Amino acid sequence: GDSVTQMEGPVTLSEEAFLTINCTYTATGYPSLFWYVQYPGEGLQLLLKATKADDKGSNKGFEATYRKETTSFHLEKGSVQVSDSAVYFCALSDRDFQKLVFGTGTRLLVSP
Amino acid sequence: ETGVTQTPRHLVMGMTNKKSLKCEQHLGHNAMYWYKQSAKKPLELMFVYSLEERVENNSVPSRFSPECPNSSHLFLHLHTLQPEDSALYLCASSQDKGGYYGYTFGSGTRLTVV
Repeated sequence: GDSVTQMEGPVTLSEEAFLTINCTYTATGYPSLFWYVQYPGEGLQLLLKATKADDKGSNKGFEATYRKETTSFHLEKGSVQVSDSAVYFCALSDRDFQKLVFGTGTRLLVSP
Repeated sequence: ETGVTQTPRHLVMGMTNKKSLKCEQHLGHNAMYWYKQSAKKPLELMFVYSLEERVENNSVPSRFSPECPNSSHLFLHLHTLQPEDSALYLCASSQDKGGYYGYTFGSGTRLTVV
């Protein structure tokens, strides 16, 4: 079945550093791709999404581009803040099996 | 109220208790889900309801019993749980079962079984 692979964390950065969290996927169809964020003690919130190849999703300074040729959807932010500390989940919409498939999550820790 | 609302936010129960988790959405979504999130484990999809019909049950023990009385409400009934069932239980909803537009999650219920 379809699957998502994320880099293991934690990712530890200083404030204002550049962030990349890698995500690659395996899919037989043409899935939609998502990044979700989970702050401590909360549920998952949709951060951004892309529904077709070469689409760029963006929100709150975060960006990710749907790269069909490399089957990737890496999350980037130019300058992280302490408030970005959270767990980030990459996911795809597996339309053949009709559900969302999540990666294992990557914890980001940003220090002042 | 918008979004997905879960109650209670925190629950402590003994192994012989019976309790229920509630999830409510007023987004007009047609599918609802229960997930279990345990420390250092991937998200586990427990149940999927589409148009009030259960369409997926991922080998979840019978001590967990879901109920979807209408398209806006989803319950998870709990009885005779084990300490390893302690986790964050997340409810989600989506416009379609495939999640093409993504899921909307609630804030979760933190369950502790003592």
